[in-house]
Amino acid sequence: EVQLVESGGALVQPGGSLRLACAATGLSVGTSSMSWVRQAPGRGLEWVSLIYSGGQTYYAESVRGTFTISRDISKNTLYLEMSSLRVEDTAVYYCARAYSSLQIIFDSWGQGTLVTVSS
Amino acid sequence: DIQMTQSPSSLSASVGDRVTITCQASQDISNYLNWYQQKPGKAPKLLIYDASNLKRGVPSRFRGSGSGTDFTLTISDLQPEDFATYYCQQYDKLPPFTFGPGTTVDIK
Repeated sequence: EVQLVESGGALVQPGGSLRLACAATGLSVGTSSMSWVRQAPGRGLEWVSLIYSGGQTYYAESVRGTFTISRDISKNTLYLEMSSLRVEDTAVYYCARAYSSLQIIFDSWGQGTLVTVSS
Repeated sequence: DIQMTQSPSSLSASVGDRVTITCQASQDISNYLNWYQQKPGKAPKLLIYDASNLKRGVPSRFRGSGSGTDFTLTISDLQPEDFATYYCQQYDKLPPFTFGPGTTVDIK
């Protein structure tokens, strides 16, 4: 059974940085395509970033240049490094597994971790 | 980038009703369309993938249809556990993999 557990969410000041982690069991992050999806309070889902199984990375326009997705195969963990955080980045951040690199179907999700950007 | 719209944004229904939610893409996405259900405070759950394929374990009262730019999620015989928000998501070609704005189904 696939299990994804996010951590690292916190209260951070505007302009600050944070690193989120998503520990995976039941799958290998090195051979899976994985994404981060966020949800601002009371709002809908927003795709943030994806790392393909082959290592290529993609970002939403809103975070390109400030967020970095990566993975540690030895720890079987996905990461999201966030810098220059803005109030608008306040959200619950979910990691999700894509069914395959050709089928971006998010079939497994973590429980989410809350990032609050506020002074 | 491909934009997704959903209608209605919310609806009220009763247990036993048939509910239809539509999702429209700004350009042809073939059948690269998925549907998710989300309950308050919980992570989304995949219901239907590739427009019309039911994920294993999802009740057969959920049905997806459509291709190209227009898609539909139908819930027949609405059950109490179906009151939730539903999102469509496209994955045609390269990112971004856009979600629709969501449709909330609540109790009439």
